[in-house]
Amino acid sequence: DAGVTQSPTHLIKTRGQQVTLRCSPKSGHDTVSWYQQALGQGPQFIFQYYEEEERQRGNFPDRFSGHQFPNYSSELNVNALLLGDSALYLCASSFGRIEAFFGQGTRLTVV
Amino acid sequence: GQQVMQIPQYQHVQEGEDFTTYCNSSTTLSNIQWYKQRPGGHPVFLIQLVKSGEVKKQKRLTFQFGEAKKNSSLHITATQTTDVGTYFCMWDSNYQLIWGAGTKLIIKP
Repeated sequence: DAGVTQSPTHLIKTRGQQVTLRCSPKSGHDTVSWYQQALGQGPQFIFQYYEEEERQRGNFPDRFSGHQFPNYSSELNVNALLLGDSALYLCASSFGRIEAFFGQGTRLTVV
Repeated sequence: GQQVMQIPQYQHVQEGEDFTTYCNSSTTLSNIQWYKQRPGGHPVFLIQLVKSGEVKKQKRLTFQFGEAKKNSSLHITATQTTDVGTYFCMWDSNYQLIWGAGTKLIIKP
């Protein structure tokens, strides 16, 4: 049984570009949450998807958008990348609202 | 905005000493979850507390939820090198998921 898988593992983008990160949840999980984690900081909640809809959202600008597909997988899109968007992006899945399982993350570097 | 304050930021202990991290909120928390993140790793779920005054134990780890549901603590007895990492509390506010800043457990050489 695969856990949460994220792709790609590493990514380098230029300022102003757009990026799409992907997440496949653990089998049986229906809820996907996305986080941004800067080096040495705690995870910052971006948003959560359930039943293909954004259920909760943190304090991130509209440049950050997402999608959940019928198979519960999810994408995180970031437009007009800024240097400050460089971070580890974590995806977590759960069945319901507790015990989130995290993927290994995508390390995004914006240059 | 809503936030959860977590202290201390770091705690240096000798192996075998105890470790405690605290999370405090000005708002009543409906629940609190605790996670551990090893260096270079991703957060791993430890436990959820829901009831006022709740105390749960996992081997050497003791989790408490305050009577007023505004604070929570994680206590590790007799730390071991495998305990190294950063411990986070997290509150699901139904509007967003709010994480503490984490407490990094460092074992002195």
